[in-house]
Amino acid sequence: QKEVEQDPGPLSVPEGAIVSLNCTYSNSAFQYFMWYRQYSRKGPELLMYTYSSGNKEDGRFTAQVDKSSKYISLFIRDSQPSDSATYLCAMRDGGATNKLIFGTGTLLAVQP
Amino acid sequence: GAVVSQHPSWVICKSGTSVKIECRSLDFQATTMFWYRQFPKQSLMLMATSNEGSKATYEQGVEKDKFLINHASLTLSTLTVTSAHPEDSSFYICSVMRAYEQYFGPGTRLTVT
Repeated sequence: QKEVEQDPGPLSVPEGAIVSLNCTYSNSAFQYFMWYRQYSRKGPELLMYTYSSGNKEDGRFTAQVDKSSKYISLFIRDSQPSDSATYLCAMRDGGATNKLIFGTGTLLAVQP
Repeated sequence: GAVVSQHPSWVICKSGTSVKIECRSLDFQATTMFWYRQFPKQSLMLMATSNEGSKATYEQGVEKDKFLINHASLTLSTLTVTSAHPEDSSFYICSVMRAYEQYFGPGTRLTVT
């Protein structure tokens, strides 16, 4: 079993839809949770960073963490064609290595 | 955030040769940099953690004599793939740690023929 599970998609939605992306994990030591967006042949771009459980909102993006269920989500409101990319969840524990464990990524396509 | 550059963005080399990839932190001094590898349609896999002025820490299964990492200054880390083989063809990405967050470079696509 992988430490972090993420549905690879692809996920296709019409422009303006609300997108829900999710990851589950098995390591209860994870405390820091991130979402990255990666366009084709580019490096990942940090979208959201959350510590422990709770919600965090930034513009059209909302990140949720439920540590009791070991489940994290990213919601994108009013999705745009420019949101079409691969979305990677990542997480780490509070140790000194700062090692990130990534999900496999979900490919999102927003249709105009 | 943090601004990270990589050079080259794309390189083709012949099997058996070595290739060097540079990672630069452009807007702050990074004591820690990370090197990842990403195969097509797969996630990022950490190869090693690079600390300025000391030896890199390699992940299990990564050959340290094949993937040489040098973090000689607070703004530059290099990854040298020695005696490259076609199976080393991949997308290599570096990142820097700033305020507990990791920021990634644009990546280097290596093709070994």
